[in-house]
Amino acid sequence: NAGVTQTPKFQVLKTGQSMTLQCAQDMNHEYMSWYRQDPGMGLRLIHYSVGAGITDQGEVPNGYNVSRSTTEDFPLRLLSAAPSQTSVYFCASSYDIAGRSTDTQYFGPGTRLTVL
Amino acid sequence: AQTVTQSQPEMSVQEAETVTLSCTYDTSESNYYLFWYKQPPSRQMILVIRQEAYKQQNATENRFSVNFQKAAKSFSLKISDSQLGDTAMYFCAFVQGGSEKLVFGKGTKLTVNP
Repeated sequence: NAGVTQTPKFQVLKTGQSMTLQCAQDMNHEYMSWYRQDPGMGLRLIHYSVGAGITDQGEVPNGYNVSRSTTEDFPLRLLSAAPSQTSVYFCASSYDIAGRSTDTQYFGPGTRLTVL
Repeated sequence: AQTVTQSQPEMSVQEAETVTLSCTYDTSESNYYLFWYKQPPSRQMILVIRQEAYKQQNATENRFSVNFQKAAKSFSLKISDSQLGDTAMYFCAFVQGGSEKLVFGKGTKLTVNP
């Protein structure tokens, strides 16, 4: 298994440009999520999905869109990039086990995004 | 809302010595889980150890162990026989039972010196 994969690893955008960060997992996990990591802030949840067709907002959703058309893929879209979105982005996945023992979240390698 | 606090932004330890990283959390829930993640310079997030709140026994994983004090809402990580490869950022994280939304602390940068 490849686990959780993310592309690209690095990206530089100009203010106002749009792009999609890709995330895929081959572990048949139902739950997927996106976090951003900023210096001194730890990781903060942007959006998450508990299954295909179901998404919800996390702590810092503004400026980002997501969709979940398949179990494997969970892309994160920036419609109009802003310098405040300069960050490292992590995708994670785990089994959706609401009401039962929480399983471990597996993280992708991250995407470093710079918005000029 | 749940919060996680790591009060030590940076720490250092000599190789082969023991170091303890602190973490406190705030929640009104009784069913939850706590984690320590390691992030080396490669940026990969690696699970170090997890603790279920309903278990009184402290979790251990080889050289890594936790001191879980539920009443005090404290969850410290002890690294024994520190190795150079332990140099990394360490994040404490919390998740409420039935939810997958991890809440992270701001991290502690640990440096192991030769």
